Amino acid sequence: KAGVTQTPRYLIKTRGQQVTLSCSPISGHRSVSWYQQTPGQGLQFLFEYFSETQRNKGNFPGRFSGRQFSNSRSEMNVSTLELGDSALYLCASSFDVRLTSGAGEQYFGPGTRLTVT
Amino acid sequence: SQQGEEDPQALSIQEGENATMNCSYKTSINNLQWYRQNSGRGLVHLILIRSNEREKHSGRLRVTLDTSKKSSSLLITASRAADTASYFCATDEGGSNYKLTFGKGTLLTVNP
Repeated sequence: KAGVTQTPRYLIKTRGQQVTLSCSPISGHRSVSWYQQTPGQGLQFLFEYFSETQRNKGNFPGRFSGRQFSNSRSEMNVSTLELGDSALYLCASSFDVRLTSGAGEQYFGPGTRLTVT
Repeated sequence: SQQGEEDPQALSIQEGENATMNCSYKTSINNLQWYRQNSGRGLVHLILIRSNEREKHSGRLRVTLDTSKKSSSLLITASRAADTASYFCATDEGGSNYKLTFGKGTLLTVNP
């Protein structure tokens, strides 16, 4: 079974531009979550999608948005890029992150490293 | 704010030794998970322990959970150079909040 794939792997943008990152989950997985990882703040939750609906959202400004398509593929968009948006963006999938007992395990992609200059 | 906080921030040991990492969290949880990340790559799920479990094993990994102290520990026995990585604990926040919150991780270096 193919793992989670993310494209592109590396990206360099300038301040003020916008960027779209793509994530293809493991086949059959319907939940996709996005995380931002920086040396200073660590791993921070951005949002989670399930069956094309955003179910949960982290504490990020409205410049960060996402969507999920009917085939479970997901994209996240960052508009008006700032230097502080430079980070590793990780996508994770699961069949459904909501187990009856709580949050379940997630399968992570290799990430997209975004550099804003 | 971080839900989980790992301790120590960095740990350096020799191959064959055991490595112990600790995680403390603030609010009640449903599940606690441990993940490994090799230098700048995606995370790999290691083990999930439920709030009503006290100990869990997977190969060379042993995880304990003490909900009264809001803490967990990850023990890696007979470490190998390939275990060199950052280790993160992740918790949900109990109830119907399924959002995973990660700690800042422990960087483990296993010297050959």
